[in-house]
Amino acid sequence: LAKTTQPISMDSYEGQEVNITCSHNNIATNDYITWYQQFPSQGPRFIIQGYKTKVTNEVASLFIPADRKSSTLSLPRVSLSDTAVYYCLVGDPNGGKLIFGQGTELSVKP
Amino acid sequence: DTEVTQTPKHLVMGMTNKKSLKCEQHMGHRAMYWYKQKAKKPPELMFVYSYEKLSINESVPSRFSPECPNSSLLNLHLHALQPEDSALYLCASSQVVSGTVYEQYFGPGTRLTVT
Repeated sequence: LAKTTQPISMDSYEGQEVNITCSHNNIATNDYITWYQQFPSQGPRFIIQGYKTKVTNEVASLFIPADRKSSTLSLPRVSLSDTAVYYCLVGDPNGGKLIFGQGTELSVKP
Repeated sequence: DTEVTQTPKHLVMGMTNKKSLKCEQHMGHRAMYWYKQKAKKPPELMFVYSYEKLSINESVPSRFSPECPNSSLLNLHLHALQPEDSALYLCASSQVVSGTVYEQYFGPGTRLTVT
């Protein structure tokens, strides 16, 4: 299973773009990259998923270079409510086994 | 309905008690999961059910006993727990399609305290 490495914490200000990078050097050919957001005392919430290049949805973008050894979650114009822990996961397609990394604690300040 | 519900929200139990955690979803998902999460740590996978059959057991102690009575329900039976088992227990569900990974929908969790 591919292991992920991400910064432990990041600080930002309201209105800024935040980029959180995740390293997954031993990602397998069939693995997808998925990001989850978690607020205190709540279950994680799916943000975005991708396999290669760029994926965009209504809340975030995910950039994946050609070698797929890293990925970057981009949150445009963050607000205070984006303060949360963000997890990068690399998915094993066999049986849905997902291993959460240590996560990045994002703090958005006014 | 994209909601996973878990009951109870909070549970305090002694080390000799027997209790159960319950999880329910009505999204037609055929994969369901139990995770354990300690404070300031990521969720740790415990069990995975696929089509109501246990497909993954992450070497969880036998004092935790999962059960999937039907495609919408998932239980976690607890017996003779230790104080270190105190944690947030999360249930999740997803589609099952081989060769890819679908997003997991998480419930709010049950906060368990073992005294």
